[in-house]
Amino acid sequence: GAGVSQSPSNKVTEKGKDVELRCDPISGHTALYWYRQRLGQGLEFLIYFQGNSAPDKSGLPSDRFSAERTGESVSTLTIQRTQQEDSAVYLCASSAGLAAHNEQFFGPGTRLTVL
Amino acid sequence: AQTVTQSQPEMSVQEAETVTLSCTYDTSESDYYLFWYKQPPSRQMILVIRQEAYKQQNATENRFSVNFQKAAKSFSLKISDSQLGDAAMYFCAYTPLGGGSEKLVFGKGTKLTVNP
Repeated sequence: GAGVSQSPSNKVTEKGKDVELRCDPISGHTALYWYRQRLGQGLEFLIYFQGNSAPDKSGLPSDRFSAERTGESVSTLTIQRTQQEDSAVYLCASSAGLAAHNEQFFGPGTRLTVL
Repeated sequence: AQTVTQSQPEMSVQEAETVTLSCTYDTSESDYYLFWYKQPPSRQMILVIRQEAYKQQNATENRFSVNFQKAAKSFSLKISDSQLGDAAMYFCAYTPLGGGSEKLVFGKGTKLTVNP
């Protein structure tokens, strides 16, 4: 079936504006993760969702960042009042469950540029 | 806190030769998974190989193999018979087993260039 998809592929915004990034996980995958990848760096965990459990928000860098997920489907990552330091690629991943042996499948990411 | 260190920002290899990418990690956990991911210019992360810490046998996937040294907390990736398509960023990652969210902790990556 289809893999993880993300939209938009690229987003350019002005400092201070809000942005919404979307992730469509693989159908049937109960776990969904958001990561941030700054230029030349590895991925940083932001947040994960597992079914109807409370999300783990421990990686969100500030209260300007929030995310929602409807059931086991689409997720949106919202960044309010964007700053230049928010410029990065935002990657979404999904897996069949939380256990570590379930492979995380990644989307192609959204490249966010804050001017 | 768990950390993953990749000490080689860039590596290069001749086509058909063998290259080894290094990774060390720090954890107090006894059970965990280790991964190598490949990220080509398309940005999509692709799982190359994974190792379960409680398994002593090194994982192998075709031309890719690992050297897992648990006591030394080392997890290197060997690519044999390198191909032009292997050129990419390679990330080492770690996740504890049963610890909660199983979020991945990544190193900063190694850029691999394959020369024809």
